[in-house]
Amino acid sequence: DAGVIQSPRHEVTEMGQEVTLRCKPISGHNSLFWYRQTMMRGLELLIYFNNNVPIDDSGMPEDRFSAKMPNASFSTLKIQPSEPRDSAVYFCASSLPLTGGHEQYFGPGTRLTVT
Amino acid sequence: AQTVTQSQPEMSVQEAETVTLSCTYDTSESDYYLFWYKQPPSRQMILVIRQEAYKQQNATENRFSVNFQKAAKSFSLKISDSQLGDAAMYFCAYRSSNTGNQFYFGTGTSLTVIP
Repeated sequence: DAGVIQSPRHEVTEMGQEVTLRCKPISGHNSLFWYRQTMMRGLELLIYFNNNVPIDDSGMPEDRFSAKMPNASFSTLKIQPSEPRDSAVYFCASSLPLTGGHEQYFGPGTRLTVT
Repeated sequence: AQTVTQSQPEMSVQEAETVTLSCTYDTSESDYYLFWYKQPPSRQMILVIRQEAYKQQNATENRFSVNFQKAAKSFSLKISDSQLGDAAMYFCAYRSSNTGNQFYFGTGTSLTVIP
C-alpha cells in the first residue's frame, strides 16, 4: 500500500492567494483527518470526516479555511485568502473504523509558507 | 473533551540507556485506546505502540514498552537500549470509543539521544 498521499509536499505562496492541499487516504479507510502543526500551537485537529461526511470542523480556524471530501479516495483543504500566520505543516491522516481502536496513518505532510 | 498531557517538553538519554516518557490523560470513559507516535526530523508520524484500555497487560514492541496505569490515567513509554535513530518528537494520543473517531494528541516530548 502506498500509504496516505499528500500533495504538494511544499507550497510557497504570497499572502492573499488561494492554496489547495490535497490528500488521498489509504484505500479502505473510512475516516480522514486534517491537522496543522506549528511550533507555537503543536498539532491541531482541523476537521475530520467519517464516510466522506464532515463530523467535526470546530478546529477550522476561520471561514478562510474549508475542506471537502467528494469521495472516499480524495480530500482537499483550501485556504482562501491565505495569510502569513497560516504558515505551518499540514498533515492528512486516515484510519479504519473505530471498532478495533485502529490507529491513524499519517501522510508526509505539506509544508506551507505564506509570505 | 478529553485532554492529553505530556509534561516533559524535552528529554535526553545516553545511547544504550533507558528513558521513560510520561503521558497522562483526562477522561470519564472506561473504554478507549492509547497510542504513542514518533515524529523524526523527516516529519513523518510513525506509530510506535498502542494499548487497549480493557487490557491489563502492558503493550510491548521490541525495545518499546508502556506502563499503563488505568486508575491513575497514566500511559508512559519506556525506550530500552536507546539508539541514535530514536531521536525524535514523541506524541501520546487518546482515541475515544464513544465520541466518534476523534483522536486527542499531547503536545509532544522532544527526545535527544546522546552518543
